[in-house]
Amino acid sequence: GAGVSQSPRYKVAKRGQDVALRCDPISGHVSLFWYQQALGQGPEFLTYFQNEAQLDKSGLPSDRFFAERPEGSVSTLKIQRTQQEDSAVYLCASSVDRVNQPQHFGDGTRLSIL
Amino acid sequence: AQSVTQPDIHITVSEGASLELRCNYSYGATPYLFWYVQSPGQGLQLLLKYFSGDTLVQGIKGFEAEFKRSQSSFNLRKPSVHWSDAAEYFCAVGVLTGGGNKLTFGTGTQLKVEL
Repeated sequence: GAGVSQSPRYKVAKRGQDVALRCDPISGHVSLFWYQQALGQGPEFLTYFQNEAQLDKSGLPSDRFFAERPEGSVSTLKIQRTQQEDSAVYLCASSVDRVNQPQHFGDGTRLSIL
Repeated sequence: AQSVTQPDIHITVSEGASLELRCNYSYGATPYLFWYVQSPGQGLQLLLKYFSGDTLVQGIKGFEAEFKRSQSSFNLRKPSVHWSDAAEYFCAVGVLTGGGNKLTFGTGTQLKVEL
């Protein structure tokens, strides 16, 4: 497809389990962003990649959160030892590598921690 | 640090009526400003953006927004609302990081349209 693809759409995990969320950006998009959207809130920035380089990870809430983009395309957001407060929708966005270009969002992964 | 305030959590309008959604931002430099719309279970769709130039910007679906530096505002307007416009609307300010803009969003305004 032509858009940003995220999988799975829904993920349920028990507290303490590790999870991995995948993002397939639009082909050719250099920039990739992850956001976390808690229920009833706006999305909050987690991290940013330019190709395979993680240039900004200032929004990652703890060292349990880890993101990678090893070949500059697909990205994975990993959460270790999940906690209930990690329950949220995780959104991925991509854009071409220019400041004045908008981000295109995927439909997100809804993560529920029991 | 940058921030975005959307003072209206919920707004209800009748179909065919005009709409204005408020957005105020706080940012030390010239802002990059965006409006996104989100339908239930969906990602965010860009309605319009402001980077520079004309302060009145046109977007998709008949929306427009006006940047007012003196008021630190970027309000979204539509002259005649359609039932399909019911959704959540987010205003965002972009902050440069590396080669891209990381977005800071407001808490959103939920729009309900009465038929």
